[in-house]
Amino acid sequence: KAGVTQTPRYLIKTRGQQVTLSCSPISGHRSVSWYQQTPGQGLQFLFEYFSETQRNKGNFPGRFSGRQFSNSRSEMNVSTLELGDSALYLCASSSSHEANYGYTFGSGTRLTVV
Amino acid sequence: GQNIDQPTEMTATEGAIVQINCTYQTSGFNGLFWYQQHAGEAPTFLSYNVLDGLEEKGRFSSFLSRSKGYSYLLLKELQMKDSASYLCAVRQAGTALIFGKGTTLSVSS
Repeated sequence: KAGVTQTPRYLIKTRGQQVTLSCSPISGHRSVSWYQQTPGQGLQFLFEYFSETQRNKGNFPGRFSGRQFSNSRSEMNVSTLELGDSALYLCASSSSHEANYGYTFGSGTRLTVV
Repeated sequence: GQNIDQPTEMTATEGAIVQINCTYQTSGFNGLFWYQQHAGEAPTFLSYNVLDGLEEKGRFSSFLSRSKGYSYLLLKELQMKDSASYLCAVRQAGTALIFGKGTTLSVSS
């Protein structure tokens, strides 16, 4: 079965712009989580969605937002981009937000802010 | 909140055994995961522990002690392809998976 699909793979934006990243989970998975990965900080949790509801949120400013659609696809948006937002953004899907199932990660979107 | 600590880097030689430790402080513990991430690739699931003890999967084993807030990942018969980052992640009840910063393992011949 198809894995987690993230688009686009690479993105270059200018400071002050906004960006939208997309994630399509594994078919049947209703939980989607987003992470930011940087060399210094590792994987930092952004937010988690289950059945279109945000279940958990990490410690990121309000410029970072997300949503989940009825087909479980999710998008995250970053407004007023800063240089420090340059990172790999990873999406992970799981079959349940409560059960202890492993997450399956997508290949990520590499965002560069110039 | 959660605090997850693991060594930043480790080195080992082919054929050897390496143990990567992870300590965590959390409330409402609901499972510990290990992931492997090769450079430029997505993390992939290796193991899951929720009860104390050892879980073995081929060359990889993972151990958990909930009372000590401690886990380790044991890699046996190391191969060059095991050079990667190993990520320890903890789930609290009702929250998302929180990751440590990862341990970069370099395997040399």
